[in-house]
Amino acid sequence: GAVVSQHPSRVICKSGTSVKIECRSLDFQATTMFWYRQFPKQSLMLMATSNEGSKATYEQGVEKDKFLINHASLTLSTLTVTSAHPEDSSFYICSAPNLETQYFGPGTRLLVL
Amino acid sequence: GESVGLHLPTLSVQEGDNSIINCAYSNSASDYFIWYKQESGKGPQFIIDIRSNMDKRQGQRVTVLLNKTVKHLSLQIAATQPGDSAVYFCAEKGLTGSARQLTFGSGTQLTVLP
Repeated sequence: GAVVSQHPSRVICKSGTSVKIECRSLDFQATTMFWYRQFPKQSLMLMATSNEGSKATYEQGVEKDKFLINHASLTLSTLTVTSAHPEDSSFYICSAPNLETQYFGPGTRLLVL
Repeated sequence: GESVGLHLPTLSVQEGDNSIINCAYSNSASDYFIWYKQESGKGPQFIIDIRSNMDKRQGQRVTVLLNKTVKHLSLQIAATQPGDSAVYFCAEKGLTGSARQLTFGSGTQLTVLP
């Protein structure tokens, strides 16, 4: 099946710093990728849709200046959490569609101190 | 609004028994569904999918059933093993915004008892 990777898998940072998370489709190209956020024992919440060659589309309530998304190529999307605060601590997961199915990365655990 | 949800938040089964995880959806126009397995600390893993023109689809030890009349989806796991313990999500292909968006149910925690 299609493989999606994420880096880093875990990051701890101080409040006020920025953190970049990478999402890569390893064996297929993706003009669209999705970024989700997941709190403990909850479902996935779609944050934004990353579009190669154009601006990302953000879901209602998600601050685009807070969560910067760049779809640099057909295999790479990045999510930058700017000026992170403790409430940004969460599990961030990306996905990329291959045909009709979406394949997910392994997730990135962010802890902001 | 339209949503995808699950009947049971938790399910415990004995090792070796069959598991049935249910999902109700409200958007009758949905035409594609996916089941994902998510182990603790990991991303969701694709298990099986089904299109609305099918009632049943089988994989290795898993079967998905779709009842469009009552808008119900189920995942059956045969001979459940300890490694099957995880949260299972059903997902519906979104019809708003990007056609590739998925709407997830709330998830069912499956625990396999020894």
